[in-house]
Amino acid sequence: GAGVSQSPRYKVAKRGQDVALRCDPISGHVSLFWYQQALGQGPEFLTYFQNEAQLDKSGLPSDRFFAERPEGSVSTLKIQRTQQEDSAVYLCASSLVGGQQFFGPGTRLTVL
Amino acid sequence: SQQGEEDPQALSIQEGENATMNCSYKTSINNLQWYRQNSGRGLVHLILIRSNEREKHSGRLRVTLDTSKKSSSLLITASRAADTASYFCAASVLTFGSGTQLTVLP
Repeated sequence: GAGVSQSPRYKVAKRGQDVALRCDPISGHVSLFWYQQALGQGPEFLTYFQNEAQLDKSGLPSDRFFAERPEGSVSTLKIQRTQQEDSAVYLCASSLVGGQQFFGPGTRLTVL
Repeated sequence: SQQGEEDPQALSIQEGENATMNCSYKTSINNLQWYRQNSGRGLVHLILIRSNEREKHSGRLRVTLDTSKKSSSLLITASRAADTASYFCAASVLTFGSGTQLTVLP
């Protein structure tokens, strides 16, 4: 289909490992969002891109978290030196500017 | 911290009954949105209500908004087992509540 896709769907990492999570937005969607969702909670905003520009990264919990969208399409969320508290589902959403957000299925990260 | 807070946290009803979920928020808004999330899936946008609207309908969904009380409600009529999911309100594009887990029993 033409929806938002994320990979991998599941990732298990040992504490201290680096991980990279990928998001493929809907073609033509200028805006891209990353959220972190803990079990039983709503999504928490991490960062927002408009094209390749990262306009808001106020939600990133620490400097171990880094996101990029170099060509204004695919985005990667990187977490360095993962900790157990990083275990969560990481959701990506894309939209036209000011439009409805379309969410991907998420990547479930488990840090052992 | 999350902008919207849903109430109740969990709701269990029989198929055919109506389900009502409430959302409270803290700051001024331009619009409020409701989303649904099935287990293990991403969020699906259900309905958006603008701050100058009081009520909006979409199929079996009815949303109300009271900006003076900073609250919204989502009513699902004639519920079906397939409506079983978590429901979230978002009082701004970036902030979601903690959700109501709805279980519709067949």
